[in-house]
Amino acid sequence: QQQVRQSPQSLTVWEGETAILNCSYEDSTFDYFPWYHQFPGESPALLIAIRPVSNKKEDGRFTIFFNKREKKFSLHIADSQPGDSATYFCAASPPGNTGKLIFGLGTTLQVQP
Amino acid sequence: GGIITQTPKFLIGQEGQKLTLKCQQNFNHDTMYWYRQDSGKGLRLIYYSITENDLQKGDLSEGYDASREKKSSFSLTVTSAQKNEMAVFLCASRTGDTQYFGPGTRLLVL
Repeated sequence: QQQVRQSPQSLTVWEGETAILNCSYEDSTFDYFPWYHQFPGESPALLIAIRPVSNKKEDGRFTIFFNKREKKFSLHIADSQPGDSATYFCAASPPGNTGKLIFGLGTTLQVQP
Repeated sequence: GGIITQTPKFLIGQEGQKLTLKCQQNFNHDTMYWYRQDSGKGLRLIYYSITENDLQKGDLSEGYDASREKKSSFSLTVTSAQKNEMAVFLCASRTGDTQYFGPGTRLLVL
């Protein structure tokens, strides 16, 4: 059973458009929700993250929208650039100090110039 | 800054072979993780360690052993390699909420 679900599996947008990547989770006790990105041939790296006390987190062109009631969160990439082309993983963390992350299967984003 | 190194970068094994992957970090982080990444399946947690000599099983621990004898190092053993297995094994360490990943070991079993 996949505890963290991502959609779409792949996404293509034109340069300048807003890309929207979606994630949902099962366990209402999860309390930390990061997005990692992974460029081809590289390792994943933290992009942006949110805790349920907030429903929105912005960092430049990247924004997380969080809906605790529906157990969903999304990553919006505004003014998408070809350099944003990568695989994006959402994740969720159970409470406690383990830092354990449960990852979604990823969304591969292609930004066309 | 710090760095995570993983050895070897590439590992070719035979079916049934015991294979060991090593990870070193000089961040002085307490918590370390081993993930397996298969194409189309995201990252799955194999083992993690909160501190030296601690070991905790992840969702994919069957078929693996781990060892954390020093704070800076975390080893993973594939106890019996499966034929045609192909995956990337990623080591990570954590500070606060952020996990930092190593470059990975690419495994191919013939």
